[in-house]
Amino acid sequence: QVELVQSGAEVKKPGASVKVSCKASGYTFTGHYMHWVRQAPGQGLEWMGRISPNSGGTNYAQKFQGRVTMTRDTSINTAYMELSRMRSDDTAVYYCARNSELGTRSGVDYWGQGTLVTVSS
Amino acid sequence: QSALTQPASVSGSPGQSITISCTGTSSDVGGYNYVSWYQHHPGKAPKLMIYDVSNRPSGVSNRFSGSKSGNTASLTISGLQAEDEADYSCSSYTSTSTLVFGTGTKVTVL
Repeated sequence: QVELVQSGAEVKKPGASVKVSCKASGYTFTGHYMHWVRQAPGQGLEWMGRISPNSGGTNYAQKFQGRVTMTRDTSINTAYMELSRMRSDDTAVYYCARNSELGTRSGVDYWGQGTLVTVSS
Repeated sequence: QSALTQPASVSGSPGQSITISCTGTSSDVGGYNYVSWYQHHPGKAPKLMIYDVSNRPSGVSNRFSGSKSGNTASLTISGLQAEDEADYSCSSYTSTSTLVFGTGTKVTVL
């Protein structure tokens, strides 16, 4: 069965960076884009971008351009999302989510359990 | 890309039907048949309930159905049950090849 297991909660100071990992199992890792989505307290889900585990190619939401970097390590079926120059409003639960097997336009189908990142001085 | 608009909350009694709307633009919801719906219980991973406007993944109850008219997609839950109490979000493919999510709706079973 498809499973996405994310790294644990983080507490960071303003201006710092965080790197969240997402280990995939139960399917061919290189066969599906991996998306990153976040949810701030009391807010809706927000798409941050996606990475092709096959090529390493990325597409980032304009809001995060210049601050987010998505990478992957195919040897261990793991995707990473690094967010830099963090502010208090980056406090959120960050999710990885697998692209639907139906194609890039059909959204995501499986989600990780989420990683709480708290930005506080 | 602006978030898709959903009502903040919808409620219903057990056995009733409720409908959650998801309003976008011709650049997302209205332009493509790629709307998905997710159920999200606090502290758990979101679960895909509907994909490509009206299709149910294997294992999802047929009490959940999706539709679309113009720039607005809808999720209907019929025969409402206590276990349906959760947050629900929509998403859509966009004209810039990105994904956009809705503002989220809290469903309460009275």
